[in-house]
Amino acid sequence: DVKVTQSSRYLVKRTGEKVFLECVQDMDHENMFWYRQDPGLGLRLIYFSYDVKMKEKGDIPEGYSVSREKKERFSLILESASTNQTSMYLCASSSDRDSSGDTQYFGPGTRLTVL
Amino acid sequence: KNQVEQSPQSLIILEGKNCTLQCNYTVSPFSNLRWYKQDTGRGPVSLTIMTFSENTKSNGRYTATLDADTKQSSLHITASQLSDSASYICVVRRGYSTLTFGKGTMLLVSP
Repeated sequence: DVKVTQSSRYLVKRTGEKVFLECVQDMDHENMFWYRQDPGLGLRLIYFSYDVKMKEKGDIPEGYSVSREKKERFSLILESASTNQTSMYLCASSSDRDSSGDTQYFGPGTRLTVL
Repeated sequence: KNQVEQSPQSLIILEGKNCTLQCNYTVSPFSNLRWYKQDTGRGPVSLTIMTFSENTKSNGRYTATLDADTKQSSLHITASQLSDSASYICVVRRGYSTLTFGKGTMLLVSP
């Protein structure tokens, strides 16, 4: 079974702090994604990566950056957290070798609160 | 504009009853459509994937349909169980590009 883990389930930070959200997958997937999920807005793509050291902006990259130094790990960085970044953050991974198409496997999410 | 609209926003049904969730999309060019189930406090899990040539696909008590002409999909849940209480998200892939997510339908199955 594919397993995607996220470093924290709940996180509380103060405005202006630098925040790191870590995601690790154990299935040698090429592709990794960071989403945020807000009530009434659904999932929105922040950044994604198709390979090590490669990153692409999603729909809402402002205020975020990412790092992918190793294939299994994809980090989301909030350089200076703001209250409007309070949200549920979901990491996902997928494989180019997936015969079912492009199934994304999601982690359990990190609920971030910025005070 | 590439959009995915789901209805209803929320739904309450009695245990054992059937229900149907709707997904309309304007995404083009269409590549595939997937239904995800998201339990409270967890990440989404894929239920089914539909490609252009597929009309119906079942996964246990879940049956998805696709009408590529009208750009509509539905997810039918038969003999609902309490564990079906979740958010159901419709996701459409446009060509080889990224995904367009619906906002989800929140289903509550009541005993």
